[in-house]
Amino acid sequence: DAKTTQPPSMDCAEGRAANLPCNHSTISGNEYVYWYRQIHSQGPQYIIHGLKNNETNEMASLIITEDRKSSTLILPHATLRDTAVYYCIVRVAGDNAGGTSYGKLTFGQGTILTVHP
Amino acid sequence: SAVISQKPSRDICQRGTSLTIQCQVDSQVTMMFWYRQQPGQSLTLIATANQGSEATYESGFVIDKFPISRPNLTFSTLTVSNMSPEDSSIYLCSVSVTGRYYGYTFGSGTRLTVV
Repeated sequence: DAKTTQPPSMDCAEGRAANLPCNHSTISGNEYVYWYRQIHSQGPQYIIHGLKNNETNEMASLIITEDRKSSTLILPHATLRDTAVYYCIVRVAGDNAGGTSYGKLTFGQGTILTVHP
Repeated sequence: SAVISQKPSRDICQRGTSLTIQCQVDSQVTMMFWYRQQPGQSLTLIATANQGSEATYESGFVIDKFPISRPNLTFSTLTVSNMSPEDSSIYLCSVSVTGRYYGYTFGSGTRLTVV
């Protein structure tokens, strides 16, 4: 799986958008970009994923550049509860037959996002 | 998505002893994964456990130290054997889920302290 690079830490004011960048310059054509976060003392939580199109769900938006070498996770209105470590992971989705995902996740060091009042 | 129950949530153990961590899923899953998270570090994959076959261990992890069982499609155990203080970590299980987003669900982890 391709390697990702993220800033070690970021700050954001409550109510503002948090934009978390991720570089994945060696990404392959069949590799997806996944974002997870880990709030203190909890297991990682899935946020969003995408292949090449921008994606949005109830938690966040994912913007992937046209060359797919970088992406940005956007939390549109950050709250104090969004303080967490955010992991950008690139991996092949595996055998998609039947919607089953295979393979493993390789975690980097992530970005510590601190949302302050 | 799947719901994972992981037990115990935390434990303090004496060096030289062993601890078995249980991971129960509320639905049948093909693959289960065990991770270790040392203090202040990211997650590191220990092994992948498929039902009906031997677990596949990552580099640096061996079966004698971290034996894994996977008796059915909803349950797995990880044993941390002959513990030393360096084994003090959070151990997490994870499963791949069937669904539109091909995501993974994680348990809340077992916080192990070896004294």
